[in-house]
Amino acid sequence: GESVGLHLPTLSVQEGDNSIINCAYSNSASDYFIWYKQESGKGPQFIIDIRSNMDKRQGQRVTVLLNKTVKHLSLQIAATQPGDSAVYFCAENRSNDYKLSFGAGTTVTVRA
Amino acid sequence: KAGVTQTPRYLIKTRGQQVTLSCSPISGHRSVSWYQQTPGQGLQFLFEYFSETQRNKGNFPGRFSGRQFSNSRSEMNVSTLELGDSALYLCASSFSSGANTEAFFGQGTRLTVV
Repeated sequence: GESVGLHLPTLSVQEGDNSIINCAYSNSASDYFIWYKQESGKGPQFIIDIRSNMDKRQGQRVTVLLNKTVKHLSLQIAATQPGDSAVYFCAENRSNDYKLSFGAGTTVTVRA
Repeated sequence: KAGVTQTPRYLIKTRGQQVTLSCSPISGHRSVSWYQQTPGQGLQFLFEYFSETQRNKGNFPGRFSGRQFSNSRSEMNVSTLELGDSALYLCASSFSSGANTEAFFGQGTRLTVV
């Protein structure tokens, strides 16, 4: 079925290194994508979004890349810090759908 | 600006009972969505409301219902609770009526059914 999914369930990163979290989606009608970070005991926290008319968007220490040809989304975190340890979800939205479809999540662990 | 507020934070109920969860969106936000989060199924969409109208509903049984009030606050109700309803219930609010806008989540209500 149509879904948004992440390639790896876990990612271990050395502090200071860059992290790359991947996500694949199957619905070509998806036109809006969001990355969320969820820490233990908390709700998902908005990180960055991107619309389908863009292929790259940058925030503070984060970059989202969208490749519509292969239906792939990635989140890059520069200079990963211990506070970046969390579960990261990609989510997609289809026009006039009024809902987000989430991937399974990637647990990022930052090693000191 | 206060974030999305969900009450209560934790709840323990017995099978067969019903429960009502509350969500207060960010001031000025008129769209409220509800999601269920479990380890096995991840984040699953329940329903979305805008200006007191339900615009979309997920694939959940009729035991799950919701509503939105004129002040944009929303409640969801689960009747005849089952063990499998144990989950983190998350509420998200958005400013715009359009589909492609940022959604901000609350801390969630952790429901345990025993």
